[in-house]
Amino acid sequence: EVQLVEAGGGLEQPGRSLRLSCAASGFTFDDYGMHWVRQAPGKGLEWVSGLSWNSGNIGYADSVKGRFTISRDNAKNSVYLQMNSLRAEDTALYFCAKGSTGYSYGSVYLDSWGQGTLVTVSS
Amino acid sequence: DIQMTQSPSSLSASVGDRVTITCRASQSIDTYLNWYQHKPGKAPKVLISAAYSLRSGVPSRFSGSGAGTLFTLTISSLQPEDFATYYCQQSYSLPLTFGPGTKLDIK
Repeated sequence: EVQLVEAGGGLEQPGRSLRLSCAASGFTFDDYGMHWVRQAPGKGLEWVSGLSWNSGNIGYADSVKGRFTISRDNAKNSVYLQMNSLRAEDTALYFCAKGSTGYSYGSVYLDSWGQGTLVTVSS
Repeated sequence: DIQMTQSPSSLSASVGDRVTITCRASQSIDTYLNWYQHKPGKAPKVLISAAYSLRSGVPSRFSGSGAGTLFTLTISSLQPEDFATYYCQQSYSLPLTFGPGTKLDIK
């Protein structure tokens, strides 16, 4: 059974940093692309970032480009989201999601999701 | 970036009704279009991939169609468990993008 467990959320001040992690199990991690998706309070789903199986193809939403960095450690079956220069509008529940293939786009859908970790940015 | 829009933004319907949700892409995305169902407090769930492929375990009352820039999700006979928010999402190119969602509630 696929399991994705996010961690690292919490309350942080604007301008500060947080690092989210997602521990994966139940599948061959380095065969699949991984993604982060967020949902701000009362809002819809927003794709944040994703990377291919070998980190060779990485993408970011315009809203986070230049501030967030996605990475993965295939030896640890984990994907990370380094969030710098946090803003109030980054407040959201952050989901880790597994791609259906090793690529980050194309014939890809998000087939397994974690329960999310809550990030609150406020002074 | 490819922008996705959905209509309607909300919809009230009754059990047994047939409902259709429309999704439009700002440019052609071939059939790189997925549909998700999201209920409060739960993880989103993929229903349809590649515009019309029903994912394993998803009831056959759900169907998808379309190509290019216009897509639809149809629920042929609403069941109580179908009341949720539905999102389309393009995977044609990075950044991946979701539509704004369609909230389906009970009339």
